[in-house]
Amino acid sequence: DIQMTQSPSSLSASVGDRVTITCRASQDISNSLAWYQQKPGKAPKLLLYVASRLESGVPSRFSGSGSGTDYTLTISSLQPEDFATYLCQQYYRIPTTFGQGTRLEIK
Amino acid sequence: EVQLLDSGGGLVQPGGSLRLSCVGSGLTFVNYAMSWVRQAPGEGLEWVSGISGRGDNTRYADSVKGRFTISRDNSKNTLYLQMNNLRAEDTAVYYCGKGRTAYGDYVFDYWGQGTLVTVSS
Repeated sequence: DIQMTQSPSSLSASVGDRVTITCRASQDISNSLAWYQQKPGKAPKLLLYVASRLESGVPSRFSGSGSGTDYTLTISSLQPEDFATYLCQQYYRIPTTFGQGTRLEIK
Repeated sequence: EVQLLDSGGGLVQPGGSLRLSCVGSGLTFVNYAMSWVRQAPGEGLEWVSGISGRGDNTRYADSVKGRFTISRDNSKNTLYLQMNNLRAEDTAVYYCGKGRTAYGDYVFDYWGQGTLVTVSS
């Protein structure tokens, strides 16, 4: 199975900050990467797929980049509603696998 | 608006069985692959099983192969997960997830609200 490793595991930031979360795959996944936001007790919400394609309705302050094994999610200016856990997912090979999550907390 | 409603979770003893359901609305159900994804308490997400739009292709995680069966009834807009020989490590919130296309799509643009399965004696 392809292992997905996110860093950092947690992050403290303030409203208005720019933050970047990294996801590394154990092998080349050819941009078959999605990012989700999950809030406590709720289902995940799709933010981006194909590494950088923004899902409909997701604010443009979210962006993604990367290639090969290394990918990043950037939030350009944090809003209060952005404090949540972020997860990456590779769908290049079955089983699709998820990173362990990055918990974004208010500083 | 697309909505998915999970149900069927509960408390079951080790070795027992449960059947989960996920009812979709606001979509042409047959046009989309569906999956089950679970999340153990305090843990990350684990994909469990997926099925194509017409139900002719199914895939399973190794951890559930031979014990779980995914199926769908497109006339009822419903996805199922039959879980047999349950183990303590199957304890989790189970979510259904909708793919964006009918085959081999494991990007989930809509999710159910989740249903809790607890395996304990």
